[in-house]
Amino acid sequence: AQKITQTQPGMFVQEKEAVTLDCTYDTSDQSYGLFWYKQPSSGEMIFLIYQGSYDEQNATEGRYSLNFQKARKSANLVISASQLGDSAMYFCAMRELNQGGKLIFGQGTELSVKP
Amino acid sequence: DSGVTQTPKHLITATGQRVTLRCSPRSGDLSVYWYQQSLDQGLQFLIQYYNGEERAKGNILERFSAQQFPDLHSELNLSSLELGDSALYFCASSPRNTGELFFGEGSRLTVL
Repeated sequence: AQKITQTQPGMFVQEKEAVTLDCTYDTSDQSYGLFWYKQPSSGEMIFLIYQGSYDEQNATEGRYSLNFQKARKSANLVISASQLGDSAMYFCAMRELNQGGKLIFGQGTELSVKP
Repeated sequence: DSGVTQTPKHLITATGQRVTLRCSPRSGDLSVYWYQQSLDQGLQFLIQYYNGEERAKGNILERFSAQQFPDLHSELNLSSLELGDSALYFCASSPRNTGELFFGEGSRLTVL
């Protein structure tokens, strides 16, 4: 069963607007962590934001925020005030704490920011 | 710069050959992870080491093997290479089993 689902293969957003990238996950564990990574065309994987399953508040890091809805098992990434440099692949990932440290990744969403 | 170093950055080889990819984790990080990224399979977890011991295994083929040395660097060995092994291979490290993974820039393998 797929653990992480990103249903948007590609998205467009106008520069300076906000955009939401969807991520749903599947786990029976109570303790888990959710991550978002950015992969620009150069290929490196850049960590953006983390949400723990017990965190009561949504995580925020600068222009990135994570809309965590535990009951719906969703962990959407919100990017505010999009910039041209935000054009990249975005991956949602999950770590189940009883499975060690590995992250399981979704298929990714390609975001294109239009000027 | 994540602090994780992978070599080589690019590698072109022929089917049937064997290659070794090397990874130096961030200073002090005990966990090393290997991932394979291909167009059709996405980012697949291969294997994890923690302080020299294998900790978790994912979708790693029997033709592939890895190890982590006492100085914590790791090597991924790929043998009897096939066209389908062409991919970007990432190494990542973390200080423990929690927190984010720090990725290297990847080793792009092309099998002709």
